[in-house]
Amino acid sequence: GNSVTQMEGPVTLSEEAFLTINCTYTATGYPSLFWYVQYPGEGLQLLLKATKADDKGSNKGFEATYRKETTSFHLEKGSVQVSDSAVYFCALSESAGTASKLTFGTGTRLQVTL
Amino acid sequence: EAQVTQNPRYLITVTGKKLTVTCSQNMNHEYMSWYRQDPGLGLRQIYYSMNVEVTDKGDVPEGYKVSRKEKRNFPLILESPSPNQTSLYFCASSFRTAVGNEQFFGPGTRLTVL
Repeated sequence: GNSVTQMEGPVTLSEEAFLTINCTYTATGYPSLFWYVQYPGEGLQLLLKATKADDKGSNKGFEATYRKETTSFHLEKGSVQVSDSAVYFCALSESAGTASKLTFGTGTRLQVTL
Repeated sequence: EAQVTQNPRYLITVTGKKLTVTCSQNMNHEYMSWYRQDPGLGLRQIYYSMNVEVTDKGDVPEGYKVSRKEKRNFPLILESPSPNQTSLYFCASSFRTAVGNEQFFGPGTRLTVL
């Protein structure tokens, strides 16, 4: 079956540091890939997505590139802020065109300090 | 404002006492889904619905029931809750044919079963 593996947390960074959160996946076919973010006490919000190989998703300074050859979708940000402190989930969906189950990684907690 | 709402947000109950967690969306989405979030396991799908009167099991359906009598509502029913159902529950929705399958999540319901 499908699965998503992301790096264990927590990740603690100083403000303005570079962020990478690794995500790799196992799936049949051509899944869509997502990063969701969960701020304390809130539900999940879509951060960015990519629906085909070599696509780059970007939002709020975060980026991730769909790498089919390495089955990866690593999240990066050049300069993190305290407000980026949250839990980040990598996820995949089997189908790009029809609503279906999201398969999530276990989540990576990011803490950014001054 | 487009949103998914859940009630209650917090609930403490005892083993065997039937409960219902409500979920409602105002975006006219066909697809709705329930997930539970547990430490170290990420989010796992419980049940989903592709449209009114159409529901199906996800990965962890045991001990849960759902119904979809109206398009906007998708309640989660625990007929006889047990302590292993203590978890954080999220409702999500999307259009049936959604490019990239972006799903919108509710704020979560934290359930404790004693």
